[in-house]
Amino acid sequence: DAGVIQSPRHEVTEMGQEVTLRCKPISGHDYLFWYRQTMMRGLELLIYFNNNVPIDDSGMPEDRFSAKMPNASFSTLKIQPSEPRDSAVYFCASSFVQFEQYFGPGTRLTVT
Amino acid sequence: KQEVTQIPAALSVPEGENLVLNCSFTDSAIYNLQWFRQDPGKGLTSLLLIQSSQREQTSGRLNASLDKSSGRSTLYIAASQPGDSATYLCAVNRDDKIIFGKGTRLHILP
Repeated sequence: DAGVIQSPRHEVTEMGQEVTLRCKPISGHDYLFWYRQTMMRGLELLIYFNNNVPIDDSGMPEDRFSAKMPNASFSTLKIQPSEPRDSAVYFCASSFVQFEQYFGPGTRLTVT
Repeated sequence: KQEVTQIPAALSVPEGENLVLNCSFTDSAIYNLQWFRQDPGKGLTSLLLIQSSQREQTSGRLNASLDKSSGRSTLYIAASQPGDSATYLCAVNRDDKIIFGKGTRLHILP
C-alpha cells in the first residue's frame, strides 16, 4: 500500500481565497483524522471520521473550516475564506484501530 | 483539561550515548500513550504504543516506560546513531481525544 496520500504537498494562497486539502487513506482503514501543526500550538486534532461519519469536530477552529468524507477512500478539508493565521502544516492520518494511526506527509499551507 | 509536556524542547547528544526523552501529562486517566518520530518535512511515524495497563514497551534500541500515577513516560534510546536525529513526540489518548506534546528535537552529533 502507498500509505496515506495527501495533496497538494504545498499550497500558497492569498487571504480570502478558498483552500481545499485532499487525503486518501490507507485502504481498509476505518478511521480518518485531520490535524494541524504549528510551532506555537504543536499538533492539534481538528476532526476525525469513523466509517465516513464525522465523530468529533470539536477541534475545528471556526466555521471557516469544514471537512467531508464522501467515501471510504477520500476526504477533504476546506478553508473558506482563508486567513494568514491558517498557515500551518495539515496532516491526514488513518487507522484500522482508533489510536494506531498512520500519517500522511502533510500539506504545507501558506496564506499571504 | 489534559496537557502534555515534553522537556527539553531540544537536545544534542554525541553518537553512541544512551539518552532519555521525557513526557509528562496532567490527567492520569488515559487509555494509552504513544511515542512518535517526525523527520523534517515529513509526517509522524509511530514508534511505540503503551496501553494503560502496561509499564513498558520495547522495540529494538527503543524502550518506552509509563507511570500513570505520576503522569510520566520516558523514551530510552540506546547507543544513539546520527539516523536517530528527529523530533520525538508523545501523545496520550482518552475519551476519543488524542493530545500531543510539542516534541523534543533530538540531534545526534557524529
